Amino acid sequence: AQKVTQAQTEISVVEKEDVTLDCVYETRDTTYYLFWYKQPPSGELVFLIRRNSFDEQNEISGRYSWNFQKSTSSFNFTITASQVVDSAVYFCALSSDHSSASKIIFGSGTRLSIRP
Amino acid sequence: KAGVTQTPRYLIKTRGQQVTLSCSPISGHRSVSWYQQTPGQGLQFLFEYFSETQRNKGNFPGRFSGRQFSNSRSEMNVSTLELGDSALYLCASSLEGPLNEKLFFGSGTQLSVL
Repeated sequence: AQKVTQAQTEISVVEKEDVTLDCVYETRDTTYYLFWYKQPPSGELVFLIRRNSFDEQNEISGRYSWNFQKSTSSFNFTITASQVVDSAVYFCALSSDHSSASKIIFGSGTRLSIRP
Repeated sequence: KAGVTQTPRYLIKTRGQQVTLSCSPISGHRSVSWYQQTPGQGLQFLFEYFSETQRNKGNFPGRFSGRQFSNSRSEMNVSTLELGDSALYLCASSLEGPLNEKLFFGSGTQLSVL
């Protein structure tokens, strides 16, 4: 069975602190994709990153960085020098390349609050 | 380029009624998928349409249905509404499909069933 676990339900930090959002996944597929999406108060999910299972290189985009480790089935997301605009719910998601789109699994989300 | 547009933004219905939600994808996107978001169950896949055909369906009862028109616009319908159908319904579009592509989401329709 496929599963995505975001154990941190809510995180609150003061602006400029670094924060890491954890994501642990389970799948028996050898080819799969991992995603992070951000959901601001307006409601729409905003794509942040996609990673395929064969690319374990870490990625950095501005203040955002992602650490993908197949050995621990984790795909963690770090925000450096957090800002108030980073406040949102963040979802980690997993999909396989099989035909069934019902295999797109979202984690339960982590609500991140950045205090001024 | 216009984003994904969902209408209406908010909807209040009573049990037993039916409801139709609309989604206009980004121009050129042929795949439209729908998701239900609730505090208890999180984000769950409902179904996906591609070129007017339902390509995939999640684990929801037959009361949930949808369709896609030739211009890629999509509608989803929920009949015989139940209290548990209260949720944020999100539509997402992509070029070919949701499995390994970046999805563009609308702001959703917040449905409240009384």
